[in-house]
Amino acid sequence: GAGVSQSPSNKVTEKGKDVELRCDPISGHTALYWYRQSLGQGLEFLIYFQGNSAPDKSGLPSDRFSAERTGGSVSTLTIQRTQQEDSAVYLCASSKGGSTNEKLFFGSGTQLSVL
Amino acid sequence: SQQGEEDPQALSIQEGENATMNCSYKTSINNLQWYRQNSGRGLVHLILIRSNEREKHSGRLRVTLDTSKKSSSLLITASRAADTASYFCATEAGAQKLVFGQGTRLTINP
Repeated sequence: GAGVSQSPSNKVTEKGKDVELRCDPISGHTALYWYRQSLGQGLEFLIYFQGNSAPDKSGLPSDRFSAERTGGSVSTLTIQRTQQEDSAVYLCASSKGGSTNEKLFFGSGTQLSVL
Repeated sequence: SQQGEEDPQALSIQEGENATMNCSYKTSINNLQWYRQNSGRGLVHLILIRSNEREKHSGRLRVTLDTSKKSSSLLITASRAADTASYFCATEAGAQKLVFGQGTRLTINP
C-alpha cells in the first residue's frame, strides 16, 4: 500500500485478555517503530526493528508486551493479560533506512480500550 | 527516557497570528525533526534540521536550532484554522532510535 497500515483501528477488550495489533509498513522500508500514546500525552517509545538486526526492546513496559516482525515486513505487537492501564493509542511508524536523519511515516494507530 | 520536551504545553492564538513553540533536549544530536498530529492519530513529518544548520524554512514553517542551548523552535506564520493540531519534536536517543516529547497543543481561533 501507499502508506503505513494498522489494524484494527479500534479494539475493545476485557481485562485479562490477550490482544494482537498489526502494522504493515511501507514496502521497502527497513525500519519499523512502535509507540504508545495515552490520552493527551506524548509518544512513548516501545520497540524498534531495523532490518535483520536484533530489535531494540528497551521501551517495552513489561514482559506482557512483545513484538515480532516477520520477513522484515509486517509487525505484530502482542499484549498478554491486558490491564486497564494498557488503554492507549498504539502507533506504528516506518522509515526507509532506519537512520535518525530519515523521516518517519506513521499509521493511523490502533485505539485500544481495556474494560 | 525523555530526550525532547516541548514548551508551551498548550498555545491558543487568533487566526493570522504567528505561533512559536519550543523544544529542549538533553544530549547532543545529529538532527532534530518536527511532526504534527491531528485528532490524536498518526503523526505527519514537517521538517528536519541537521545539527550543522541554524535555520530552515518550509512554506509558512520556520525552524531554528541552537545546539549550544540544546533547543529548537518551530514558528508557524500567518496561522490558519487548519494548523490546529499537536506539534512534537523528535530527537535521537541512542544510535537509531527516535523519541518524542510531550507535544504542544496549538489551537487557532477564528
